[in-house]
Amino acid sequence: GAGVSQSPSNKVTEKGKDVELRCDPISGHTALYWYRQSLGQGLEFLIYFQGNSAPDKSGLPSDRFSAERTGGSVSTLTIQRTQQEDSAVYLCASSSGQGGTTEAFFGQGTRLTVV
Amino acid sequence: RKEVEQDPGPFNVPEGATVAFNCTYSNSASQSFFWYRQDCRKEPKLLMSVYSSGNEDGRFTAQLNRASQYISLLIRDSKLSDSATYLCVVKVYTGNQFYFGTGTSLTVIP
Repeated sequence: GAGVSQSPSNKVTEKGKDVELRCDPISGHTALYWYRQSLGQGLEFLIYFQGNSAPDKSGLPSDRFSAERTGGSVSTLTIQRTQQEDSAVYLCASSSGQGGTTEAFFGQGTRLTVV
Repeated sequence: RKEVEQDPGPFNVPEGATVAFNCTYSNSASQSFFWYRQDCRKEPKLLMSVYSSGNEDGRFTAQLNRASQYISLLIRDSKLSDSATYLCVVKVYTGNQFYFGTGTSLTVIP
């Protein structure tokens, strides 16, 4: 497909389990972003990948959160030992990263529920 | 101080009304500006980019004031389908980072 693809679309997990969320960006987009959005709240930045540069991890809320981007394309966000406060929609976006005028395109998100 | 600030609303307006949203940003090095629309339980989608000279797309007009560091969105002749949350977005060229406002909620009432 032509858009940003995320999987799974919904994930219910038990507290303490690890989860992996996947993002497949638009082909050729060098920039990839992860955000999360709790119900009724704004977007919270998590992490940003740009090409082969070191990622900007400044938004990760704790060391239980990590992300990688293999081959400059697909990214995986991993949450270890999930807690109930991790319940949110996790949104991935990609951008061509070419200059300042290019917008971000979002995937449909993964709705994570920790029970 | 937040990078981008918006009035969260909610704005409840009748069909056909004109409504305006404002947004302020703190980083003077900000390079690009956008308005995104987010429907309930959906992902944000680009509504329009905001250019220095101002730009219009049908019923929507976006303005940028760099001196005062604010961006506006004007919606004329509101439709029921305009009901959504509108996100003000600023991109800082250095680092290519996007900064999102918390959004302004709009409900257009029949």
